[in-house]
Amino acid sequence: AQTVTQSQPEMSVQEAETVTLSCTYDTSESDYYLFWYKQPPSRQMILVIRQEAYKQQNATENRFSVNFQKAAKSFSLKISDSQLGDAAMYFCAYRVNYGGSQGNLIFGKGTKLSVKP
Amino acid sequence: GAVVSQHPSWVICKSGTSVKIECRSLDFQATTMFWYRQFPKQSLMLMATSNEGSKATYEQGVEKDKFLINHASLTLSTLTVTSAHPEDSSFYICSASGLAGEASYNEQFFGPGTRLTVL
Repeated sequence: AQTVTQSQPEMSVQEAETVTLSCTYDTSESDYYLFWYKQPPSRQMILVIRQEAYKQQNATENRFSVNFQKAAKSFSLKISDSQLGDAAMYFCAYRVNYGGSQGNLIFGKGTKLSVKP
Repeated sequence: GAVVSQHPSWVICKSGTSVKIECRSLDFQATTMFWYRQFPKQSLMLMATSNEGSKATYEQGVEKDKFLINHASLTLSTLTVTSAHPEDSSFYICSASGLAGEASYNEQFFGPGTRLTVL
């Protein structure tokens, strides 16, 4: 069975500092996608960053970057220069790439990130 | 990015009544739509996957006769909670992905969610 584990229920970071959120997953598939989603108090799910498993290069999006370790099945999110608006629930998610069809997302339990001014 | 809307954003109903939630893709054709349920301070749980023109595929433990899903067009899917009870109170979120070959295919775009309260 495919599972996603986020071992940090809550994290806190000082404004302008850097924080890393952890995620591990379990799968026997070789072709898949990994995602980090942000869910602020409005509860709108927002895609933060995406990583294709076949790409060795870690994805980056402005202040957000990932450390993708395929062999270790690890996919951590680093947020640099943290801002007050980064405070939210962060969900790690996994999806198999079936090629011709869309697979469903499997979510971790989430990490609540607080940002201190 | 692509936009997905949900209506209503919140609804309160009496126990025993049915409630319909709409999910629309506004600027792309959604071949696949997903329905999730989220309890407070918990993660998203997939309820069902629907492909346009086909019957929905429900996850284990989800009652298909209670949660009716219709995906009759490439821009609209509906979730009907039939004979709602207080335990059905939750936050329901839909997501959609587009046609193969389109930019919207490789990503799921989420609606803003619907908060259902059953009295």
